[in-house]
Amino acid sequence: NAGVMQNPRHLVRRRGQEARLRCSPMKGHSHVYWYRQLPEEGLKFMVYLQKENIIDESGMPKERFSAEFPKEGPSILRIQQVVRGDSAAYFCASSPELSQPQHFGDGTRLSIL
Amino acid sequence: AQSVTQLDSHVSVSEGTPVLLRCNYSSSYSPSLFWYVQHPNKGLQLLLKYTSAATLVKGINGFEAEFKKSETSFHLTKPSAHMSDAAEYFCVVSEDTGGFKTIFGAGTRLFVKA
Repeated sequence: NAGVMQNPRHLVRRRGQEARLRCSPMKGHSHVYWYRQLPEEGLKFMVYLQKENIIDESGMPKERFSAEFPKEGPSILRIQQVVRGDSAAYFCASSPELSQPQHFGDGTRLSIL
Repeated sequence: AQSVTQLDSHVSVSEGTPVLLRCNYSSSYSPSLFWYVQHPNKGLQLLLKYTSAATLVKGINGFEAEFKKSETSFHLTKPSAHMSDAAEYFCVVSEDTGGFKTIFGAGTRLFVKA
């Protein structure tokens, strides 16, 4: 059974470009969560999605950031007009139900030049 | 308000000695509590979870944690440290409040000396 798959593992962008981070949840998991981890810090919740719906985006910046989880295909975290402060590791997790433990991908490390 | 405090940012033990990683939480609801481990450049792996069943929870790799409501604590322990236990450990509290709230502690980095 494949775990949570994130790609790319590493992404380099210049300031002002767009970054697209993809996450394929574990088979049978319909709940997806995105987190951001800055160096030497814990994970900060960004957004929680179910298929085609954003359930909770209280942790996501209001501007430049968006997330989707379409009926078909992976969940996408999109960052427009990236800035240096967006440099971080972005982790995706999935679970079969809200109350169940989350399974994490290995993350995408985003570097902004 | 919901919060998680990991009391030590770094813990150093010798191989074969006990491990204690401390976590205190606050929650307005009956929370679910978790411990995750993160090895370098990897995602988080679930060690164990508490969801209002037995207060002493056993996890993988010999770890266990005890939920103490009166102390609002959920400390992680292991009787004998192994070199492979060196990693970052996160205490997590989760509430289903009609929306969704999961809070991660800042993490405790465990060093294991030979």
